[in-house]
Amino acid sequence: DGGITQSPKYLFRKEGQNVTLSCEQNLNHDAMYWYRQDPGQGLRLIYYSQIVNDFQKGDIAEGYSVSREKKESFPLTVTSAQKNPTAFYLCASRQLRTGSNQPQHFGDGTRLSIL
Amino acid sequence: DAKTTQPNSMESNEEEPVHLPCNHSTISGTDYIHWYRQLPSQGPEYVIHGLTSNVNNRMASLAIAEDRKSSTLILHRATLRDAAVYYCILQNSGNTPLVFGKGTRLSVIA
Repeated sequence: DGGITQSPKYLFRKEGQNVTLSCEQNLNHDAMYWYRQDPGQGLRLIYYSQIVNDFQKGDIAEGYSVSREKKESFPLTVTSAQKNPTAFYLCASRQLRTGSNQPQHFGDGTRLSIL
Repeated sequence: DAKTTQPNSMESNEEEPVHLPCNHSTISGTDYIHWYRQLPSQGPEYVIHGLTSNVNNRMASLAIAEDRKSSTLILHRATLRDAAVYYCILQNSGNTPLVFGKGTRLSVIA
């Protein structure tokens, strides 16, 4: 089945360590997105990419980095500069079409915790 | 993107219809109205979207006011599996990312 795969489902990190969250999609979608969700809150945009080898900062990009070397992959690195990384991280993708408004598709998320 | 206003929470009895309201008084002519829902510990799921006319699909119906300043998501017969947070989001015809608010938490009572 086509969809978005996020791995791992649960991730633990020691303070001071960088950690990379995986996001793969086989929907052939142009755009990919990373959101962060804290308990009881809505989703906040970290980074997004509309084309390979290009990406833009969202509202809360500090302490995070991304790459888009392949259309189907958009990994997110949570660096040691992110002071409060414990959260639920969600990846999404979307087909971009001029004059049309396509829905975003989401993965099942990765829950990151600090040890 | 223009902002939306939704109630924090709503409650419904099982097998009864549910009307989830959303106000968007500053909507522009090119903004689409999207609805997503998020079940516990899962990613959001697309429900429905529309521009001016009412829309129906297998999950729900979307009723859009004539002046487009408000809309209502209608679940025709609520089940326990419909308990989730429902987000109403405006998105212009460009390719900008979705901006999520806090949504409405729907509880369904058996």
